[in-house]
Amino acid sequence: AQTVTQSQPEMSVQEAETVTLSCTYDTSESDYYLFWYKQPPSRQMILVIRQEAYKQQNATENRFSVNFQKAAKSFSLKISDSQLGDAAMYFCAYRDPPAAGNKLTFGGGTRVLVKP
Amino acid sequence: DGGITQSPKYLFRKEGQNVTLSCEQNLNHDAMYWYRQDPGQGLRLIYYSQIVNDFQKGDIAEGYSVSREKKESFPLTVTSAQKNPTAFYLCASLASGELFFGEGSRLTVL
Repeated sequence: AQTVTQSQPEMSVQEAETVTLSCTYDTSESDYYLFWYKQPPSRQMILVIRQEAYKQQNATENRFSVNFQKAAKSFSLKISDSQLGDAAMYFCAYRDPPAAGNKLTFGGGTRVLVKP
Repeated sequence: DGGITQSPKYLFRKEGQNVTLSCEQNLNHDAMYWYRQDPGQGLRLIYYSQIVNDFQKGDIAEGYSVSREKKESFPLTVTSAQKNPTAFYLCASLASGELFFGEGSRLTVL
């Protein structure tokens, strides 16, 4: 079974600084999808960034970027120039390819605290 | 507006009662999912469905049941066999590589 592990329960960052969240996963598939989701106190799930495994180039969305290491099965998220609004729970997620059932598995989450 | 609607938002039930959570989407998505979230924890997959009249068990399916009679609807029933049903439940649908979430249903069993 696919598993997703986030080893940092909580991370603290100073406003305007950079923080990196780690994520590792286990799969026997070669073509899959990875995501980072943000969950603020409202509990609404917000897509931050996604990466297709067949793409070697790391995805970037404004202040958010990933470091995708396929061989190491690692998918870390870097938040640059942290803002107070970035404070939330962040979840890493893995999705099987459609031929394998589209099963989507989440990690346990990392709480990000932003200090003014 | 297109989206996913979960209802009710809050639900209180007595122990031993079955309860059904509604999830409706008008996005024409084929795949739909149900997740459970406990306080301070991640999302755990209960059931998912790729097409109408077909669904698969997730990681914590025991004590839950689902149906997928229509593309737009994927209701979740929390049965009396679920030992600890108090939790936050999230429904989602998938298309073009992106997962769209509802706003969730908070179930409290008294």
